[in-house]
Amino acid sequence: ELKVEQNPLFLSMQEGKNYTIYCNYSTTSDRLYWYRQDPGKSLESLFVLLSNGAVKQEGRLMASLDTKARLSTLHITAAVHDLSATYFCAVGGGSQGNLIFGKGTKLSVKP
Amino acid sequence: EAQVTQNPRYLITVTGKKLTVTCSQNMNHEYMSWYRQDPGLGLRQIYYSMNVEVTDKGDVPEGYKVSRKEKRNFPLILESPSPNQTSLYFCASSLSRVIYNEQFFGPGTRLTVL
Repeated sequence: ELKVEQNPLFLSMQEGKNYTIYCNYSTTSDRLYWYRQDPGKSLESLFVLLSNGAVKQEGRLMASLDTKARLSTLHITAAVHDLSATYFCAVGGGSQGNLIFGKGTKLSVKP
Repeated sequence: EAQVTQNPRYLITVTGKKLTVTCSQNMNHEYMSWYRQDPGLGLRQIYYSMNVEVTDKGDVPEGYKVSRKEKRNFPLILESPSPNQTSLYFCASSLSRVIYNEQFFGPGTRLTVL
């Protein structure tokens, strides 16, 4: 059974600092997604990672995937208040089509 | 505008009263899915559909039904809602049946079952 764990679940950062969110999963998968959710809003797709060693960057966010370690990271560089949100990783399950989400990391960036 | 729409956005109902939450996408996507989001549990997949007339169970399908008669629509049916189905529901779609691309999420439906 595929399980997805995110760490940490809560993260309070100061503006300008760097931090990393971790997403571990328990069985082999060939696709991993990162999403952002603002309070009271829907989910917005950030990154789709499909291969070992994949790295994608958008602004202050960079995501990477290590399929051998079953680990993805979302790195935040020089955080700003606008990045405050909940971030989810999701992993494709064993059968085509199903997707397992982590519990989310609630990020709060303070001035 | 490319989007996924859900209706209603908010619904308060009583135990046992059948309800349907509609989901429609205008992007000609093959893949559609329903999720529920609960505090501390994240998002859990209820059902998904790889294409018209093809549906499959996700992680938490009990108490729910779906149908996919047309490509654009994927309604979620609660035949006899119970209070433990109080949740925030999201519909999502993506282009390919292999979903090796991003999913677009609807705005969400907040359901309360009394």
